[in-house]
Amino acid sequence: EVQLVQSGVEVKEPGESLKISCKGSGYNFANYWIVWVRQMPGKGLEWMGIIYPADSDTRYSPSFQGQVTISADKSIGTAYLQWSSLKASDTALYYCARQYCSSTNCYTGSVGVFDYWGQGTLVTVSS
Amino acid sequence: EIVLTQSPATLSVSPGERATLSCRASQSVGSNLAWYQQKPGQAPRLLIYGASTRATGIPARFSGSGSGTEFTLTISSLQSEDFALYYCQQYFNWPLFTFGGGTKVEIK
Repeated sequence: EVQLVQSGVEVKEPGESLKISCKGSGYNFANYWIVWVRQMPGKGLEWMGIIYPADSDTRYSPSFQGQVTISADKSIGTAYLQWSSLKASDTALYYCARQYCSSTNCYTGSVGVFDYWGQGTLVTVSS
Repeated sequence: EIVLTQSPATLSVSPGERATLSCRASQSVGSNLAWYQQKPGQAPRLLIYGASTRATGIPARFSGSGSGTEFTLTISSLQSEDFALYYCQQYFNWPLFTFGGGTKVEIK
């Protein structure tokens, strides 16, 4: 069974750093793109960035470039989203999700939709 | 950036009735359009991709249509578990994905 399990609730102060995680299981983690999606309170979904764990090829949304860092450790099947200095406006629910692939080469042959999602990590930034 | 506009923002429907949700793209996305369902406290769930292909395990009462800039998600006979938020997403210019603002389907 494919699963993405995210780390737990975080409460931080402005200016603090944070790294949240997303652990995949039940499939070849290295060979599927993982995306991070933000959902601010009461709002819609925003794509932040995407990573291919096999070689850590990472692409960022222009809206989030320079604001966050996405990484992955394929040896432990885990992707990460991190901030060096949090702001109150980073308060949101963050999801990781797997990009769908029905091809033998998921690096180039994936379909840009997301078939399995983590449960979400709630990040609250407040002084 | 490709902007997706969903309408209506809220749709009030009685159980057993048909629901029709719309998603309009600011430029053509071909058939590179997906639909997701999100219930309170849950992650989104992929329903439709390629504008009209149902994802694994999705009931046949969900159907998608359209291409270019106009897309529709139809739920043929609403069940109690279908009352939720629905988002469209385009993936025409990978990886510059965008989502629509969502349509809430509520019980009339």
